Amino acid sequence: DADVTQTPRNRITKTGKRIMLECSQTKGHDRMYWYRQDPGLGLRLIYYSFDVKDINKGEISDGYSVSRQAQAKFSLSLESAIPNQTALYFCATSDFGLAGERSGELFFGEGSRLTVL
Amino acid sequence: RKEVEQDPGPFNVPEGATVAFNCTYSNSASQSFFWYRQDCRKEPKLLMSVYSSGNEDGRFTAQLNRASQYISLLIRDSKLSDSATYLCVVNKGYGGATNKLIFGTGTLLAVQP
Repeated sequence: DADVTQTPRNRITKTGKRIMLECSQTKGHDRMYWYRQDPGLGLRLIYYSFDVKDINKGEISDGYSVSRQAQAKFSLSLESAIPNQTALYFCATSDFGLAGERSGELFFGEGSRLTVL
Repeated sequence: RKEVEQDPGPFNVPEGATVAFNCTYSNSASQSFFWYRQDCRKEPKLLMSVYSSGNEDGRFTAQLNRASQYISLLIRDSKLSDSATYLCVVNKGYGGATNKLIFGTGTLLAVQP
């Protein structure tokens, strides 16, 4: 089983619908992230959480919200989906306090492909 | 200008070839550097960190040139299984600031039999 699990893996929805993407992890990491990946734009950070009581906006948080329900669970919501939110979404985790050469080590889930019509 | 820039490729090379990818970054205060590998329709996975002195892991060699702000990845004796997209990643934060990672758009490598 994957250490970082995302559900659903694929979702097609309509403009204006509310969508939730869920992420759970068994790695025991405190830090969790949501990224989106678009062709030609690379991975961009939406939200991140360094522990259960900590939520922070990333580079592109508009139109999204998150909830950190437990150390192992971090969900991403689109309150009213729009077509330009069509993308591949990744949840990731990392260990706390790594520095130097380990400061870039993220563990990604398998991705959730979202299409908004 | 993008913070991290890579040639998108594709690089089409025969098995056994040596191939090199370059990546440039704009923030001179960037602290650490990485190469990730992403297979088609899969998640990115850390391939290797890039050390100031250069580092090697089997057939893979990473180099960092801070003065010119570029990072390179050299793959020797290419295998079919090396076919993937290689993402250059720069951490512009300090210490363990994992929220400061900037991902390049990736370079696609296709190794031909």
